[in-house]
Amino acid sequence: EAGVTQFPSHSVIEKGQTVTLRCDPISGHDNLYWYRRVMGKEIKFLLHFVKESKQDESGMPNNRFLAERTGGTYSTLKVQPAELEDSGVYFCASSQSRQTGELFFGEGSRLTVL
Amino acid sequence: GDSVTQMEGPVTLSEEAFLTINCTYTATGYPSLFWYVQYPGEGLQLLLKATKADDKGSNKGFEATYRKETTSFHLEKGSVQVSDSAVYFCALYNAGNNRKLIWGLGTSLGVNP
Repeated sequence: EAGVTQFPSHSVIEKGQTVTLRCDPISGHDNLYWYRRVMGKEIKFLLHFVKESKQDESGMPNNRFLAERTGGTYSTLKVQPAELEDSGVYFCASSQSRQTGELFFGEGSRLTVL
Repeated sequence: GDSVTQMEGPVTLSEEAFLTINCTYTATGYPSLFWYVQYPGEGLQLLLKATKADDKGSNKGFEATYRKETTSFHLEKGSVQVSDSAVYFCALYNAGNNRKLIWGLGTSLGVNP
């Protein structure tokens, strides 16, 4: 069974540019999450999808971040325009259960904004 | 709000040494507690968990006991191996509160042969 896959694994962009990160969850997992780890800080929750609906987006930093989950399958996280403080590792995770801390994570997408 | 405080690293040990990584938490109600691990070049993966007080989670020789009286969930292993070199994260999930994983800073462990 394929795990959670994310790409790109690493993206380097200039400030002001746009980047789109993609996540493919484990097949059959209705719950999809985005987390972010900025260097030197804790991993922070960004948002939670249940199928195609945003269940909780309280962690999204600002309106430069847009997450979508087309048809309840894969998800994209777009940052537009990127700022220096957006640099970090973006983790995607999925789960079958809606209320659980037991998540299956991808390898993460490292974003570097210069 | 809920929070997790984790021993800072990096920690460097020799093979077969005893490992303890301290983790304490602050939370309302009865959270579940987790240790996740990230091996080099890989994603985060669940190492072990405990869902109620006095539960002991264990996996791959690692153990952690949910201590409500000390609000702690320390990770231990009696004899580490080089392959245990990784970053270890303590986390809590509070279904009665914010319903998202709250993380510690992570502790980098290096084990020398």
